Amino acid sequence: EAQVTQNPRYLITVTGKKLTVTCSQNMNHEYMSWYRQDPGLGLRQIYYSMNVEVTDKGDVPEGYKVSRKEKRNFPLILESPSPNQTSLYFCASSSRYGGNQPQHFGDGTRLSIL
Amino acid sequence: AQSVTQPDIHITVSEGASLELRCNYSYGATPYLFWYVQSPGQGLQLLLKYFSGDTLVQGIKGFEAEFKRSQSSFNLRKPSVHWSDAAEYFCAVGGGDDKIIFGKGTRLHILP
Repeated sequence: EAQVTQNPRYLITVTGKKLTVTCSQNMNHEYMSWYRQDPGLGLRQIYYSMNVEVTDKGDVPEGYKVSRKEKRNFPLILESPSPNQTSLYFCASSSRYGGNQPQHFGDGTRLSIL
Repeated sequence: AQSVTQPDIHITVSEGASLELRCNYSYGATPYLFWYVQSPGQGLQLLLKYFSGDTLVQGIKGFEAEFKRSQSSFNLRKPSVHWSDAAEYFCAVGGGDDKIIFGKGTRLHILP
């Protein structure tokens, strides 16, 4: 089954403790992206990757890092999480970058930073 | 710059009633338009998309949307809603080499 898998689904942690949210897709997609979803603000893009070893900042990249060492994986790293990063996070992928590419989403990761 | 506006943050309809969710976009060229649905605890799922051709597009779950270039709109419709349609709906626009931009969403509530 074609899917985007995120782990963990839920995480409660404390300020400053490094964490990684993993994202993996099994569709051989070139393009992957991370979003955060906050009430009243919709989806905001954090980082994206057009292919292996190619990443770029989205609209709200501060406080986040990503890497794309393999085509299928695109982890999101919070080196020193802060409470304002408490949010619902989604990973998405599409065949390639472009405005005509429907995106496939994971089920989300709810992060709470205390 | 491209943008998407969903004027209604919340919409409440009775089960069995018809539904229309509004979406207005701004884009300098011919847009690619999408509607996604987010059910509780899940990610976004593509309902339908418009690229070109017939301006009335059919999607999954009995939804349809109509592209109106003159009004820069791409409204989502369903003739009769079911309780399972309660969710958040996102309109999105993209074009050419531009990435997809999402609206802020409309949360649909269904009255029994």
